[in-house]
Amino acid sequence: SQTIHQWPATLVQPVGSPLSLECTVEGTSNPNLYWYRQAAGRGLQLLFYSVGIGQISSEVPQNLSASRPQDRQFILSSKKLLLSDSGFYLCAWTQGNIQETQYFGPGTRLLVL
Amino acid sequence: AQSVTQLGSHVSVSEGALVLLRCNYSSSVPPYLFWYVQYPNQGLQLLLKYTSAATLVKGINGFEAEFKKSETSFHLTKPSAHMSDAAEYFCAVSDGLTGGGNKLTFGTGTQLKVEL
Repeated sequence: SQTIHQWPATLVQPVGSPLSLECTVEGTSNPNLYWYRQAAGRGLQLLFYSVGIGQISSEVPQNLSASRPQDRQFILSSKKLLLSDSGFYLCAWTQGNIQETQYFGPGTRLLVL
Repeated sequence: AQSVTQLGSHVSVSEGALVLLRCNYSSSVPPYLFWYVQYPNQGLQLLLKYTSAATLVKGINGFEAEFKKSETSFHLTKPSAHMSDAAEYFCAVSDGLTGGGNKLTFGTGTQLKVEL
């Protein structure tokens, strides 16, 4: 069966510090991968998605970047965090068929102080 | 472009009462629709999905949803609420573009509270 992991689970970082969040999927190959941010009362905002290694699409301009160095690894990064980067970050995967379900990881809670 | 509107950011019901969470969508292509549930500090879990087969879709935990094209709605219901149903619920629509990454557009969520 497939599983999706995210780490760390929680993170407290000062403004201006770098960020690296990791997401890995097990039990599948060539998945579509997604990064979402969830802010209180604002639902889920799609930040990035990837349909293959090295292929990244950005949905909104922001202080973050994403990379996919391996088939089942998706990384969210920032060189300098802003207060507004605080939130709950969720990674998800799907096999790409439009009827397929997106499966979500447990999330990373980021607090920027 | 697709969009989803969830009416009511907070819904409160008594235990044993009917649960009705509303979702209306806008889509330029035949939609694929999803309901997810999120418990505090956890990821999202799929409740059910509509993929153009039966218009009445049954999901986990006793939930079901009916696709009504004429009303562009996909409301979520459960006949009898349980305390464990207290969570946040999200409706989502697929962009219908396999080559475009199969992206989902989510509503802003409805927080369900279940009272004794």
